[in-house]
Amino acid sequence: DIQMTQSPSSLSASVRDRVTITCRASQSISTYLNWYQQKRGKAPKLLIYAASSLQSAVPSRFSGSGSGTDFTLTISSLQPEDFATYYCQQSYSTPKTFGQGTKVEI
Amino acid sequence: QVQLVQSGAEVKKPGASVKVSCKASGYTFSTYGISWVRQAPGQGLEWMGWIGTNNGNTNYAQNLQGRVTMTTDTSTSTAYMELRSLTSDDTAVYYCARGGQYCSGGFCYEYFDYWGQGTLVTVSS
Repeated sequence: DIQMTQSPSSLSASVRDRVTITCRASQSISTYLNWYQQKRGKAPKLLIYAASSLQSAVPSRFSGSGSGTDFTLTISSLQPEDFATYYCQQSYSTPKTFGQGTKVEI
Repeated sequence: QVQLVQSGAEVKKPGASVKVSCKASGYTFSTYGISWVRQAPGQGLEWMGWIGTNNGNTNYAQNLQGRVTMTTDTSTSTAYMELRSLTSDDTAVYYCARGGQYCSGGFCYEYFDYWGQGTLVTVSS
């Protein structure tokens, strides 16, 4: 199984901050990497697919980059509604494993 | 609009089985596969498996093989996930998710673009 490791596990930030979350795969996954946002008590929401493609209707302050084993999710200017937990997920092979999550707090 | 609506919360005793449904609307059901993902309280996301809605092919997570069965009813655009021999470790919110796909340059990238609202399954004696 491919292991996905996110860092940090949590971070504190303020509105308008630039936030970066990293995700590392245990083996190369090309760009088969997705990012999701999950708010408390809600289902995850797709933000980024194929490492850098922005899902429809997702604000442009979210961006993704990387290939191979190292990936980054960036929020260019954090907004109040962005406080949530973020997960990366590889779609290179089954099982389609997720990272452990990064909680973005005020 | 695309919607996945899941069945309600369940409370089960250890050793019992649970069957969760996921009714799709707003798109052609047989065009997209359905995955199931669960989340234990305060924990991360765990992929459980996938079912192809056009042919019924399945792919289950190794740790659930033999306990999980995923099926579909194309006449009602509904997917089902049955989990047997429940233990307290199976207490979780269970989500269904549609398997979207983006193809470019001969490569196809999969992702979960729509999710159900989640079904809480509690296993307790």
